Amino acid sequence: SQTIHQWPATLVQPVGSPLSLECTVEGTSNPNLYWYRQAAGRGLQLLFYSVGIGQISSEVPQNLSASRPQDRQFILSSKKLLLSDSGFYLCAWSVQSGAHEQYFGPGTRLTVT
Amino acid sequence: RKEVEQDPGPFNVPEGATVAFNCTYSNSASQSFFWYRQDCRKEPKLLMSVYSSGNEDGRFTAQLNRASQYISLLIRDSKLSDSATYLCVVTLFMDSNYQLIWGAGTKLIIKP
Repeated sequence: SQTIHQWPATLVQPVGSPLSLECTVEGTSNPNLYWYRQAAGRGLQLLFYSVGIGQISSEVPQNLSASRPQDRQFILSSKKLLLSDSGFYLCAWSVQSGAHEQYFGPGTRLTVT
Repeated sequence: RKEVEQDPGPFNVPEGATVAFNCTYSNSASQSFFWYRQDCRKEPKLLMSVYSSGNEDGRFTAQLNRASQYISLLIRDSKLSDSATYLCVVTLFMDSNYQLIWGAGTKLIIKP
C-alpha cells in the first residue's frame, strides 16, 4: 500500500529564516505531487504541483519554491520566511493519469514568529 | 464567484439525527467529484467519491446533480465521531493537467 510522509510535524521559525519541508511517497511510482497551504480556519490553497522529476508548476507567486529531486520526493523551500507564511502545509499525491483523488501526508504546522 | 461553494456552518446536530449538506460548483466541465473529511488540525482524508448514479457507503450517501451543478452528502444516524469539517472537491482538466478545486468546507458538530 501507498504511504506518504512529511516532516517535521511542527516548526517554529523566526521571520527571515530559511525553510525546508520534505515529503516522500512510498508504494507507488511516478505520482503527481502537490504542496498545499491551509491558513487557520480556511480552505486549501494549492502552492505547487509536479508531474515528474524536475517538473514544477507554481500556482501562487510568493517567496516559496518547490523541487522534485527524485520521483517520490517533493521539497518545499524558502530563503526568507515572512509572517504570512505561517500555516498548515500539506503534501499530497495522486496517480498520474485521469481525474483522480489525492492522498495527503500528515502535514507540517509552521509558525513564523 | 467561487468555483466551489459550501456553507461553512457550523451545523450543530444531535447524535442520531440525519444531516445533509450541499456543495455547488460553477464549471460545468467538472469531471470528478469527491467528499473529504478533515478533523481538527489533521490532514484531509478521502471520505468517498461521488458517482453520477449516486453512491452509498454505510451511513453516508453522496449524490451528484449535474443539471443544477451540485453534489450532496447525507449522513444518517450521526455519531459523535462524525464531528469534522467536510470538504467538497471537483476536478477540472486545465493547463494540460487535472486540477482539484477545493471548497472551504462545512463544519459539522454532533452533540450528545
